[in-house]
Amino acid sequence: QVQLVESGGGLVKPGGSLRLSCAASGFTFSDYYMRWIRQAPGKGLEWVSYISSSGSTIYYADSVKGRFTISRDNAKNSLYLQMSSLRAEDTAVYYCAREGLSGGACDIWGQGTMVTVSS
Amino acid sequence: QSVLTQPPSASGTPGQRVTISCSGSSSNIGSNSVNWYQQLPGTAPKLLIFSNNQRPSGVPDRFSGSKSGTSASLAISGLQSEDEADYYCTTWDDSLSGQVFGGGTKVTVL
Repeated sequence: QVQLVESGGGLVKPGGSLRLSCAASGFTFSDYYMRWIRQAPGKGLEWVSYISSSGSTIYYADSVKGRFTISRDNAKNSLYLQMSSLRAEDTAVYYCAREGLSGGACDIWGQGTMVTVSS
Repeated sequence: QSVLTQPPSASGTPGQRVTISCSGSSSNIGSNSVNWYQQLPGTAPKLLIFSNNQRPSGVPDRFSGSKSGTSASLAISGLQSEDEADYYCTTWDDSLSGQVFGGGTKVTVL
C-alpha cells in the first residue's frame, strides 16, 4: 500500500545534528514533490521544507534556512532532512508528506518521528 | 503568530453545521489555492479539502470548502462525534516563498 515511514528522530543536545529519513513505498516516488512539516508539542503545524520531484527546486522556512538541508534519493525511494545547529525550538514531531494533488495538497503523510532538543 | 488566522475553537451539537474561517492576505490566500487538513488526537494530519473546494476520494460530502478574496472557509454539515479534531488551513505565500498554516481550530461536538 501507499505509505511513508519516517525514522531517525531522537534526543539531541542543543547545537547538535540529526538526519531524518522518510521511506516511500507503494507509489512511484520520483514522480512526486515532497515536504517536511513539523508540529511542536501542543502546537500547530509548521511547514519546514519542500523539494521537487527531481530535487532541482527546494524551499525552506526562514526558521530553518541555513541549518536544515532537504534531499532525496529517487533510486532508494527516500527523502531526507539533515538538521544541524539544533535549537530547543526545533523540538517537534516531524512528518514527511507527499504532494499528490493540485494546489500543493499533501495526500499522504507519514506517522511522524519525534525530535527532542534538550541538554 | 500564524500568517493565516483561524478561530481557536468552534463547537456544535450533533447534526448542526459548523463553519471555520481562515483569513489571509493578497500574497497567500488571495493568490493561491487553499487546502484544509483534519488532525485527530495523536494522529498525522489528513487531507480534507484541496484546491479550495475539492474533496479527495473518501472524504464525506459533509465537508465543503470555499474561498473568496483573501479568506477561505471550511463547513462541516451534519456534525458527528467523530468530527472532533483540529482543523488547519494552509496555502502558499508568494512573499515568503513558503507554505503557511493557520493556527488551527479545535472543533468540539457538544
